[in-house]
Amino acid sequence: DSGVTQTPKHLITATGQRVTLRCSPRSGDLSVYWYQQSLDQGLQFLIQYYNGEERAKGNILERFSAQQFPDLHSELNLSSLELGDSALYFCASSPYRGEHSYNEQFFGPGTRLTVL
Amino acid sequence: GESVGLHLPTLSVQEGDNSIINCAYSNSASDYFIWYKQESGKGPQFIIDIRSNMDKRQGQRVTVLLNKTVKHLSLQIAATQPGDSAVYFCAEWADKLIFGTGTRLQVFP
Repeated sequence: DSGVTQTPKHLITATGQRVTLRCSPRSGDLSVYWYQQSLDQGLQFLIQYYNGEERAKGNILERFSAQQFPDLHSELNLSSLELGDSALYFCASSPYRGEHSYNEQFFGPGTRLTVL
Repeated sequence: GESVGLHLPTLSVQEGDNSIINCAYSNSASDYFIWYKQESGKGPQFIIDIRSNMDKRQGQRVTVLLNKTVKHLSLQIAATQPGDSAVYFCAEWADKLIFGTGTRLQVFP
């Protein structure tokens, strides 16, 4: 158990809908990262937050957004869902020792999103 | 219960044998290289990392080798066990984690 929790575990929805995925980082970790793992793209970095502020962006679509709250939990919002958004979405947290420094990341169990 | 169902390269080994999983990386400026293990239905789990100024690092039953000349990374698992069966990903750190495509390790008794 990494100490990172994600809810829900599974989510089934229809095209055009909007969903929110939730992540609670390990106790004491200030940084949260979101990843998408799909059949054809593998594991891809989406976005990072540190202590409530966006820190880095990866291959995140404009239809997707995220935020980190004062209690450090994070939410990933996916809107106008398409079939191709079906994937596993992972959250990871790290203690974050510096903006460009490598930080070991601890991954949650993921949310499996199915868009029908 | 597969992690993603990707058509991944597969390495099949017998229990007790040593396993070697290889990875090619792309960015010569990457600072760190990391190996993750992903079991079915779970998130990636950190195994071992190596800084770019090193060429070898050992952990418990695992060794990572880094060859910067050819941008190659390998993970060696000694005395492979059934519990080692998983998908293994290499990742490189260059301000963000960039993951490789993964290799599926199957261990047979």
